[in-house]
Amino acid sequence: DTGVSQDPRHKITKRGQNVTFRCDPISEHNRLYWYRQTLGQGPEFLTYFQNEAQLEKSRLLSDRFSAERPKGSFSTLEIQRTEQGDSAMYLCASSPSKGARSPLHFGNGTRLTVT
Amino acid sequence: RKEVEQDPGPFNVPEGATVAFNCTYSNSASQSFFWYRQDCRKEPKLLMSVYSSGNEDGRFTAQLNRASQYISLLIRDSKLSDSATYLCVVNRGAGSYQLTFGKGTKLSVIP
Repeated sequence: DTGVSQDPRHKITKRGQNVTFRCDPISEHNRLYWYRQTLGQGPEFLTYFQNEAQLEKSRLLSDRFSAERPKGSFSTLEIQRTEQGDSAMYLCASSPSKGARSPLHFGNGTRLTVT
Repeated sequence: RKEVEQDPGPFNVPEGATVAFNCTYSNSASQSFFWYRQDCRKEPKLLMSVYSSGNEDGRFTAQLNRASQYISLLIRDSKLSDSATYLCVVNRGAGSYQLTFGKGTKLSVIP
């Protein structure tokens, strides 16, 4: 399967715990994005990487959130001291470097539930 | 004004009907426009890009009106399988790779 892969599919954690999600983009895609989606809303942009460089971050990304893409391949998104408001679907997407018109290819997402 | 605005619906239409969705965007410098489809509890998937001259893909037609800053999607001969949420997506400005999603318009096609 050459699509975007995310792990885990589901994560249930207690408030205050740290969680880490992984995303493996399509291999030839240089750009990698993280979005968050809650019920009834569209995906909200969190951050974006061009290769290993994190080029844009949303104001939604508080200091409890950190994302890395150390070798320009897979990426991790860590949430520290989780809060109930962090419960959402976390979506990873990738796109090739073909200008601003390149669409995003999404993974299946990681559904986070904070109890 | 929100960056990307859509009528959330739901639009309930009978099979075979034609339905149109509109989306407005606030940044006049936006250059990239897309429609995505999202099925319940699934990831968004690209339906079609939207080009300045308008474009068609089978039963789907997308239009862009830069002067009024809106995008439209027309679905002809609706099928039951078209039932989904349709997301309007716009890039954040000239050369920006950040894509902003609308909240989506829910479509239910009824037998």
